[in-house]
Amino acid sequence: DIVMTQTPLSLSVTPGQPASISCKSSQSLLHSDGKTYLYWYLHRPGQPPQLLIYEVSNRFSGVPDRFSGSGSGTDFTLKISRVEAEDVGVYYCMQSIQLPITFGQGTRLEIK
Amino acid sequence: QVQLQESGPGLVKPSQTLSLTCTVSGSSISSGRYYWSWIRQPAGKGLEWIGRIHISGNTNYNPSLRSRVTISVDTSKNQFSLRLNSVTAADTAVYYCARVPFTIFGVARGFDPWGQGSQVTVSS
Repeated sequence: DIVMTQTPLSLSVTPGQPASISCKSSQSLLHSDGKTYLYWYLHRPGQPPQLLIYEVSNRFSGVPDRFSGSGSGTDFTLKISRVEAEDVGVYYCMQSIQLPITFGQGTRLEIK
Repeated sequence: QVQLQESGPGLVKPSQTLSLTCTVSGSSISSGRYYWSWIRQPAGKGLEWIGRIHISGNTNYNPSLRSRVTISVDTSKNQFSLRLNSVTAADTAVYYCARVPFTIFGVARGFDPWGQGSQVTVSS
């Protein structure tokens, strides 16, 4: 299985300040088709996870532009340029290049 | 608007079979354009992919659960289902169903949308 490792596991951020989450995979997520199969989700309390970023850096429909993704190969980053109260929850990275699909442990974001 | 909704018993006894159904609205399972998946989250833990099915009948399961899992589809009801045999307390979790598109190479892309989730507790 591909192991997804997120850091930090939790972070506390003042509204308006930036936040960054790292995700490292145990194998490259670059497919021969040229796509890199790395995704980011936000799991808000009491709601199902929602897709934020697909294939490393593409914001999903309706996702604010304060969210951005970057990286390549095995190292990836999710950045929030200015954290807002609604960003509270647990963030997960996920790979789908190889079955079983696997998720990172999650990073809990709270507001100071 | 595509919506998925899980349904099934919230309490299952140890050693018995967990059965959940996901009803899809706004999207036809028969279209063949998506995998239909199950994912779970034990309390206080992260997300675990259980498996998926395509309308062709092709299924893939997480090896950690493969011996106990069956995912099936009912096109007449636009539903797909999960059966997990021989459950233990470790199977207590919120179970989600989700839709996922795939590439021409069969690689799954992002899960969207998800159902609201169904809490299943394994206890006598």
